[in-house]
Amino acid sequence: GQQVQQSPASLVLQEGENAELQCNFSTSLNSMQWFYQRPGGSLVSLFYNPSGTKHSGRLTSTTVIKERRSSLHISSSQTTDSGTYLCALERQGGRALIFGTGTTVSVSP
Amino acid sequence: EAGVTQSPRYAVLQEGQAVSFWCDPISGHDTLYWYQQPRDQGPQLLVYFRDEAVIDNSQLPSDRFSAVRPKGTNSTLKIQSAKQGDTATYLCASSLTGTANSDYTFGSGTRLLVI
Repeated sequence: GQQVQQSPASLVLQEGENAELQCNFSTSLNSMQWFYQRPGGSLVSLFYNPSGTKHSGRLTSTTVIKERRSSLHISSSQTTDSGTYLCALERQGGRALIFGTGTTVSVSP
Repeated sequence: EAGVTQSPRYAVLQEGQAVSFWCDPISGHDTLYWYQQPRDQGPQLLVYFRDEAVIDNSQLPSDRFSAVRPKGTNSTLKIQSAKQGDTATYLCASSLTGTANSDYTFGSGTRLLVI
């Protein structure tokens, strides 16, 4: 089965709303990364988070290894947050990434 | 500092044609990755190198795909006899061994359409 699963698959928000994106994994990991991707665009690294909680502006990432999950919280969403958010597991023993299928976020004004 | 550079930006082929993609990683990054991202899916690793050595090519369809990094810097991914199922964006990324941070950097990708 898939080693990294993301939920929800898509999310529609009104500007100003908060959102929580989930990533669950079924294998041991070295670290978890979160990326942002615009349609047709490259991947931009948001967080490198092996464990615990990290903050960057309106974004918060929390990884709980024991529970095999990581989350990305978006607070006070803006239209510029629209795009796809991908989590990726970095396996122990190497830095190749295993990606989830992504959560597509659409924020309307 | 320049990022990861990929070319071409787009490619349109008929089935059976060959195509090559080129990647220039961030200077000093010893590890280079090629990922395939089908539409509406997450990227999937094809192959990765440390310097000029292949570390993992287990997901590379060896009958039609090949990848090289002869001097441990730039890399070329080639598809012989493309199929419609190869339609995807091909992403190159690079990182530095021994660093435990978000130095993993992706290029803009090459969007391939096989008709």
